Amino acid sequence: NAGVTQTPKFRVLKTGQSMTLLCAQDMNHEYMYWYRQDPGMGLRLIHYSVGEGTTAKGEVPDGYNVSRLKKQNFLLGLESAAPSQTSVYFCASSLTLRGTEAFFGQGTRLTVV
Amino acid sequence: KNQVEQSPQSLIILEGKNCTLQCNYTVSPFSNLRWYKQDTGRGPVSLTIMTFSENTKSNRRYTATLDADTKQSSLHITASQLSDSASYICVVPGGYQKVTFGTGTKLQVIP
Repeated sequence: NAGVTQTPKFRVLKTGQSMTLLCAQDMNHEYMYWYRQDPGMGLRLIHYSVGEGTTAKGEVPDGYNVSRLKKQNFLLGLESAAPSQTSVYFCASSLTLRGTEAFFGQGTRLTVV
Repeated sequence: KNQVEQSPQSLIILEGKNCTLQCNYTVSPFSNLRWYKQDTGRGPVSLTIMTFSENTKSNRRYTATLDADTKQSSLHITASQLSDSASYICVVPGGYQKVTFGTGTKLQVIP
C-alpha cells in the first residue's frame, strides 16, 4: 500500500518555465490537497479538491492551477514559474475535510532560478 | 483570525531526557487537535488526535494533553531517542484553510 506518492522529488526550473507536479493516492480518499512549506511558516494550502472533477482555491492559489480528472490523482501546475515559488510542495489526502487524519506525500523540492 | 501558535520554535535536548512542546490555538469552534511528526525531508505523519472531551492521551513515549478551556495542548516526550529528532506540528481543523497548521517545533536530540 503506497499511500500518497508525489513525483518528481526534486526539480530546478528557470523563471518563466512551466511544470506539473503529480500526486497519486491509493486509499480511495475523496479529499486531496496541495500545500507549500516555507522556512518559518506553517504549511499553507494552495488548492484542494473535494472529489473527482472538483477543485477549490486555498490560502495561496495565485500562480498555480490544479486538476482532478481522476479520483486518485491531483495535479499541480505552474504555468510561469517565479523565484517566489521556490518551496517544498506537499500533497495530502484524507477521508473527510476536517478532523480525520491527512496522509502526506514525501514532498517535492522545487527551486526556481 | 484562526491561529495556531507553537513554542518553542526549536529545542535541543540530550538523549534520554524529557521535553514538552506547547500549542496554543484560537480556532473556533473547536472539534479536535492533531499532532504530527515531520522527519527531515519527509511529509508529516500523524502522532495522535485529541478530541474535545479528552484531557490526556498516550502513544508509547508521547503523551498529549488538551485544555479546551484555555485552548492549549502539549506534547510530552519521555526518555527521548535520537529518532525523535524532527519537527512537531500542531493542527486544528477550522478556518479558511479548512485546517490551520502551526509553524512547528524543531526538536533535535543529541547523544
